[in-house]
Amino acid sequence: QQQVKQSPQSLIVQKGGISIINCAYENTAFDYFPWYQQFPGKGPALLIAIRPDVSEKKEGRFTISFNKSAKQFSLHIMDSQPGDSATYFCAATQGSGGGADGLTFGKGTHLIIQP
Amino acid sequence: KAGVTQTPRYLIKTRGQQVTLSCSPISGHRSVSWYQQTPGQGLQFLFEYFSETQRNKGNFPGRFSGRQFSNSRSEMNVSTLELGDSALYLCASSLGQGRYYEQYFGPGTRLTVT
Repeated sequence: QQQVKQSPQSLIVQKGGISIINCAYENTAFDYFPWYQQFPGKGPALLIAIRPDVSEKKEGRFTISFNKSAKQFSLHIMDSQPGDSATYFCAATQGSGGGADGLTFGKGTHLIIQP
Repeated sequence: KAGVTQTPRYLIKTRGQQVTLSCSPISGHRSVSWYQQTPGQGLQFLFEYFSETQRNKGNFPGRFSGRQFSNSRSEMNVSTLELGDSALYLCASSLGQGRYYEQYFGPGTRLTVT
């Protein structure tokens, strides 16, 4: 059972454009939603994260939009640059007794920014 | 500060063998988590260790095990390897236990089972 569904699988955006990646989750107990960026040969790196008590979080060119009622969240990359070309993963997790149950990841989006 | 280190980076094993992978967390980090990454299943949580105790475990068979030492270094072991165990195994460390602590991932160990 895939608890976090991510789309699209791949995305091509022109330099300067807006890249949008969407995720939907099923488990209403999830309460922390990070996004990770992974370059070839590297491990994922945290990009930005949001908690469900806010609807939007912005850090530089990266924005997370969160819709709790729809159980959806999305990543927007403004003014996309060739250096943003990477695989992006959304994730979700929940606490249990103060610990974490481990991250549940989406399947990833391969983003290519064309110059 | 040095990042998360994983050794070896690449490994080729034969079906039925066992393998041990090692992870050295960032200095001062006390929590270590392991993930399996495959093209088909994506990134899947294996287990988390904090203060030498396994705190959480993902949905993997008992052939997958791990441990954490007093210096926070961690190892994971896979016994009776199957072809489907071929994957990139990622280790992540964080300062403390809990979802709000940022997890820093290592580069992974690429395991190929033939």
